[in-house]
Amino acid sequence: GAVVSQHPSRVICKSGTSVKIECRSLDFQATTMFWYRQFPKQSLMLMATSNEGSKATYEQGVEKDKFLINHASLTLSTLTVTSAHPEDSSFYICSAKTGGRPEAFFGQGTRLTVV
Amino acid sequence: AQSVTQLDSQVPVFEEAPVELRCNYSSSVSVYLFWYVQYPNQGLQLLLKYLSGSTLVKSINGFEAEFNKSQTSFHLRKPSVHISDTAEYFCAVSVSGGSNYKLTFGKGTLLTVNP
Repeated sequence: GAVVSQHPSRVICKSGTSVKIECRSLDFQATTMFWYRQFPKQSLMLMATSNEGSKATYEQGVEKDKFLINHASLTLSTLTVTSAHPEDSSFYICSAKTGGRPEAFFGQGTRLTVV
Repeated sequence: AQSVTQLDSQVPVFEEAPVELRCNYSSSVSVYLFWYVQYPNQGLQLLLKYLSGSTLVKSINGFEAEFNKSQTSFHLRKPSVHISDTAEYFCAVSVSGGSNYKLTFGKGTLLTVNP
């Protein structure tokens, strides 16, 4: 149990375009989802927290208009990187948890390359 | 605010040797503690957790960690490592009783098991 599926695993897009990453909880209801960014050989940086049906809460320094997060259902959250630039290239990881339990389960990650 | 310190960025060991990955945390309130493992180009997998009760927690693949409140530590140990244990290991904390249980990660320790 507690499987989180993230899609796509890899994506290459042109500078200026937008790309959407999906995060799905397959066997539990994800009341809260988190989006992280990970730079090479570094730890995870929390970008935002989203609760189902509510607007996402962004961490300081994260542009909410650039990284659009939607958590429309208890099993799906999406991260859209708008007007992507090469500096947005990174490994993006989502995690999900169900209400009242502290454990979070992670997706496989998405390697975004902007050319 | 909470913080996590993983004292070793890299730990090389030989196969079948014991290993300890160190983790110390700082928090003014009670916390939950976690160890996650990340294989190359993948998301994080929950290895083990301390929420309450017995301070010694064990995983199904031979790892164990002990919560030491007085030393604010949660070191990860394995008596005999395998080549397949080669991965990045992250220690993380979240505030017990918090609304979203946001995780604060350490910088990670790369465990490399050599033949």
